[in-house]
Amino acid sequence: NAGVTQTPKFQVLKTGQSMTLQCAQDMNHEYMSWYRQDPGMGLRLIHYSVGAGITDQGEVPNGYNVSRSTTEDFPLRLLSAAPSQTSVYFCASRLLGQGGRYGYTFGSGTRLTVV
Amino acid sequence: EDQVTQSPEALRLQEGESSSLNCSYTVSGLRGLFWYRQDPGKGPEFLFTLYSAGEEKEKERLKATLTKKESFLHITAPKPEDSATYLCAVQTSGGSNYKLTFGKGTLLTVNP
Repeated sequence: NAGVTQTPKFQVLKTGQSMTLQCAQDMNHEYMSWYRQDPGMGLRLIHYSVGAGITDQGEVPNGYNVSRSTTEDFPLRLLSAAPSQTSVYFCASRLLGQGGRYGYTFGSGTRLTVV
Repeated sequence: EDQVTQSPEALRLQEGESSSLNCSYTVSGLRGLFWYRQDPGKGPEFLFTLYSAGEEKEKERLKATLTKKESFLHITAPKPEDSATYLCAVQTSGGSNYKLTFGKGTLLTVNP
């Protein structure tokens, strides 16, 4: 049981480049989400999905796109990378209907640097 | 706007020296309060979910409690392997996005 798998672990981009951060889970969780973690700030929600074909914006969505074609995968796309998007990105998933009693399962993160 | 404040920002303990971490929150309808542990370079690891004032949960040397305004994570006789950043997060009843609002965390260092 792999849990939540994120790839790549590290990435350096030039300003203006695009890329996709991958997230996959094998726990049949309906809910998947992307957070970013910056020094001195709490984790902040970027986008989330409550099931295949359903996505919505979180707190800091600008500059990011998501799609959810399967239950397992929830990729995050950076359209035109900016230095302000330098951060550590975490994917998190959970079962719905359980009241969160099992928490949200986080991946190990992708450390992105935009130069 | 939902707010979560954790204190202290950093805490250094000697092995065996018990203490508590604080998480105070201002939210419009609490659905759940979550505690996570985060080791350097890794993702947050789930510890507890608390739902209502008076609730307590325990796991090894950790005990989490909840009041109407704050939560405490009590660490009894800590060991060096308890060193980590402890994160508190709340999920509120407003909206349907299952969003977690996180505090900035408390960095705990336990010296042998």
